[in-house]
Amino acid sequence: DAKTTQPNSMESNEEEPVHLPCNHSTISGTDYIHWYRQLPSQGPEYVIHGLTSNVNNRMASLAIAEDRKSSTLILHRATLRDAAVYYCILRDVYGGSQGNLIFGKGTKLSVKP
Amino acid sequence: GAVVSQHPSWVICKSGTSVKIECRSLDFQATTMFWYRQFPKQSLMLMATSNEGSKATYEQGVEKDKFLINHASLTLSTLTVTSAHPEDSSFYICSARVRANSPLHFGNGTRLTVT
Repeated sequence: DAKTTQPNSMESNEEEPVHLPCNHSTISGTDYIHWYRQLPSQGPEYVIHGLTSNVNNRMASLAIAEDRKSSTLILHRATLRDAAVYYCILRDVYGGSQGNLIFGKGTKLSVKP
Repeated sequence: GAVVSQHPSWVICKSGTSVKIECRSLDFQATTMFWYRQFPKQSLMLMATSNEGSKATYEQGVEKDKFLINHASLTLSTLTVTSAHPEDSSFYICSARVRANSPLHFGNGTRLTVT
């Protein structure tokens, strides 16, 4: 699986937007970009995923660079409950390797009140 | 929808005993489930892929005789840690998917402490 690179940690103020970057320069044409987050002492939670176009859902937005070598997860208004480790993961569109996910170290987001 | 329930949420056992962890997909059928392990301050590491009605596929370095996986139905997979030792203390998390390329849904994990 292609590798992703994320900052180890980021800080944000409550109710401000947060932009979490992810670099994936070796992404292949069939890789989806997935984002999950893990709150303390819980299992990961799906956030969003996309292939080429920007995506929006109730949790976040995903902005994908035109060359697909990087992407940004956008939380429009951070809350204290958004404090978590955010993982950017590439996954083959056909669900390669039976669809499992390989987790990197992610970005630990801290939200200050 | 797509809820994965994991039980128990935490367990303490003595060294040498075995512990069974259950993972259930509550509102969908999962032909494939995944088991992960997470040590403190580290990321999740895939242990094995569990396929309904067949043997699990283990990742390199994971002992299949120590971590027994059973996937007897489309909604239940179990992980049994046999002859547990303190170094097996960890956070075990299962996940499942609806279709091959759909997002994974995770359980809330089981914190295992072996004394």
